[in-house]
Amino acid sequence: LAKTTQPISMDSYEGQEVNITCSHNNIATNDYITWYQQFPSQGPRFIIQGYKTKVTNEVASLFIPADRKSSTLSLPRVSLSDTAVYYCLVGHGNKLVFGAGTILRVKS
Amino acid sequence: DAGITQSPRYKITETGRQVTLMCHQTWSHSYMFWYRQDLGHGLRLIYYSAAADITDKGEVPDGYVVSRSKTENFPLTLESATRSQTSVYFCASKGGAYNEQFFGPGTRLTVL
Repeated sequence: LAKTTQPISMDSYEGQEVNITCSHNNIATNDYITWYQQFPSQGPRFIIQGYKTKVTNEVASLFIPADRKSSTLSLPRVSLSDTAVYYCLVGHGNKLVFGAGTILRVKS
Repeated sequence: DAGITQSPRYKITETGRQVTLMCHQTWSHSYMFWYRQDLGHGLRLIYYSAAADITDKGEVPDGYVVSRSKTENFPLTLESATRSQTSVYFCASKGGAYNEQFFGPGTRLTVL
């Protein structure tokens, strides 16, 4: 199983771009990288998923280098409501490993 | 209600008692999962199920039992609860455009 490492916490201000990196050195060939957002007292919620290169949707971008040993979640122009815990998940099928999560605090 | 639900939302029990946490999803997703969430550990997979009557162990299965007689239900049982099983438990099902997981609201379990 891939082992994942994320920063414990990050602080930002409203309107800034935030980049959260997850390391997954022993990622397997058929593993996907997925990011989730979690608010207090709620279950995690899907943000974005990718396999390689760059993926973008309406809320975030995901950058994955060629060696796939890390990934970076990019949140453009964060707001106070983006304060949450962000998890990277690496794996496929039932082989799933969540990172310990990164607490993002957005300040005004 | 559409989606994935868990019950109870909060439970306090005593060491040695049997506890069952319920999970129900309305999408008919084949895959379902049980996680526990503890400070410093993120989410750890307890058990998963690929379909009705098909279950398998995850990372931390000891002390837990699951069953899945119907696609929409995936109960988790602690046969003899221990204090180390105090945690928040999340159920999830997998589907959608990215085959992503949809999580329930969680059950906060305290074992005294």
